[in-house]
Order: sequence, then structure tokens, then C-alpha cells
Amino acid sequence: EPEVTQTPSHQVTQMGQEVILRCVPISNHLYFYWYRQILGQKVEFLVSFYNNEISEKSEIFDDQFSVERPDGSNFTLKIRSTKLEDSAMYFCASTGTSGSRATDTQYFGPGTRLTVL
Amino acid sequence: SQKIEQNSEALNIQEGKTATLTCNYTNYSPAYLQWYRQDPGRGPVFLLLIRENEKEKRKERLKVTFDTTLKQSLFHITASQPADSATYLCALSGLSGYSTLTFGKGTMLLVSP
Repeated sequence: EPEVTQTPSHQVTQMGQEVILRCVPISNHLYFYWYRQILGQKVEFLVSFYNNEISEKSEIFDDQFSVERPDGSNFTLKIRSTKLEDSAMYFCASTGTSGSRATDTQYFGPGTRLTVL
Repeated sequence: SQKIEQNSEALNIQEGKTATLTCNYTNYSPAYLQWYRQDPGRGPVFLLLIRENEKEKRKERLKVTFDTTLKQSLFHITASQPADSATYLCALSGLSGYSTLTFGKGTMLLVSP
């Protein structure tokens, strides 16, 4: 069964450093998402991406964050200058389409645990 | 502001019993509601989706109900097994074509043998 993959599984970085989290969505999916989950808290939406542009973003997704689809398979989340409070699990998700709309079910990757020291 | 509430306490039940988890929401008119399972350190796994015009949905031992008047969904696992132990997340989505999900905090279910 196709699945979303993410690398690395765990990233440790120093405060102020840039990190890039990588995701390979399911191959025929066209909508991509990033969510994060701070330890013990709920899963929170960061950004959605369709047709090579951001379609929605939350208040969390400020100028320090960016997303990119550098090739036909990868989808990345970059944090330019990490802060302690960026420590969390970051989940990538993807979904297919029905016409031009996203279908309803999102498939999540296993996550990247980001630890900012 | 929009709010999604799930039982904050862990639910402990005996194997073979039916587990019932609750999701309540306010200030929201979701087009549909989804339930996900999350194991420790893992990503959410989709279980069931129910639309605003549906009252009940079933899949094997799982059943979801959706009451848009009460603004509540109930999630049932019948004949529960220790392998069902996990955190169960309720997620809502509106009419956006992008299907952004808003999650509740989840309820931990512990099924004892």
C-alpha cells in the first residue's frame, strides 16, 4: 500500500540554525500538508500546498517557515532560524483529488521529531 | 473561537467491551468529521469519515455517529482488543477545497486483557 515517507525521523539542531524536513507524498496525490504536534498537545495545521503554491496557512506558519516542491516527488518544509519552541513532531500529509477539489482523507507520514537545543 | 473537545481522561476498558469516545465542537460547521488513530511517536492513521448529512457510518468493529444539532460525534469500538489501545483523534474540516483538518487533542484508550 502506498504511503507517505518522511526524513529524517529525528533532527537535532541548535537554536538559530536552518532545518529542512523532507517528505515524499503518495505518488498520485496533488494536495500536500504540513502539521506539527508539540509534545502532549494536539496536531496543528501549518500549511497546505497545491499546484506549486501555498493554498492555506495558519498563524503558526510565519516568515520563518517556507515550503517547496523541488522536484516531482519531494515536498519540503524549511525553518530558517529555529527557536526552542519549534521543537515538535512535524507531520507531512497528502491527499488525492476529485475534480479540482482535495478528496477528504489525508494520509500522514510517520513524522520528523525536531529537537531545538 | 472554534473549539473541539474530546474526553481528556484516558478511557480504560476490559477486552471484549465496547469503547465509546466523544467529540464535541463549538463555533464550527464542519462539512465532515474524521476519526484518526495515533500510536506513540507515530503519525495519525485514518479510520473513518462521516459527512454532515450522514447520521452513522460503520467499518468492521468501528462505528461513528454525527449529530450536527448537538455538535457531537461518538466513536465506538465493539469487541475491543488490547491492540486497540491508542490515542483516538477527532478532526473536523469545513467546506474549503483544500480539506484542512482541525484536530481535537485526542482521547487515550487502554484496553486491558
